[in-house]
Amino acid sequence: QSALTQPASVSGSPGQSITISCTGASGDVGTYNFVSWYQQHPDKAPKLLIYDVTKRPSGISSRFSGSKSGNTASLTISGLQAEDEADYFCCSYGGYAIGVFGGGTKLTVL
Amino acid sequence: EMQLVESGGGLVQPGRSLRLSCAPSGFTIEYFAMHWVRQAPGKGLEWVSGINYNSNFIGYADSVKGRFTISRDNAKNSLYLEMESLRVEDTALYYCAKDRSGYIEDYAMDVWGQGTTVTVSS
Repeated sequence: QSALTQPASVSGSPGQSITISCTGASGDVGTYNFVSWYQQHPDKAPKLLIYDVTKRPSGISSRFSGSKSGNTASLTISGLQAEDEADYFCCSYGGYAIGVFGGGTKLTVL
Repeated sequence: EMQLVESGGGLVQPGRSLRLSCAPSGFTIEYFAMHWVRQAPGKGLEWVSGINYNSNFIGYADSVKGRFTISRDNAKNSLYLEMESLRVEDTALYYCAKDRSGYIEDYAMDVWGQGTTVTVSS
């Protein structure tokens, strides 16, 4: 049950697009289309951005999009805004009723 | 507005037990899978346990398997986490989270509480 691998940090300027990767194994990200993404601002609870790899909950901006290729899922944020500066976590079903999060990525808006 | 409120956290000595509770407001958890997720100070999120809407499918992280027990009482609209043999490394903010579906495999946690702090220290 290893954590999914995310880059520790990414950065971008307002208006740009950034992509955060989330690499798992064939037993989790590679097998199941149950990948979700969460945004967490300091001292706040996480917020669901993407589920089932590509779906957005009601109320989430279309600037957030998800995709998957093989064992790697990705979150893309387009039209970067200052309020996007936060920590981002991916999560996947790992089989056998187990869930696994990525280590988290700190997004800095320059 | 759908909200979740956790309770039961506190300071406890290693080896002791603690029971966390999670109560929703504005909705019933009856049809939804529920999860516990924790976050150690300054660290990332760690999924702890999940339970299907009807309690027929339950999962635990390896780090807590055999020590923690998740349960739910749909009649009382509540979720619980019984934690035994607590270790220093269990120190964290514990979040209760609702899944979008009735099945934990989705891991689409769309409503979160503010968390309850568990500190394990002698």
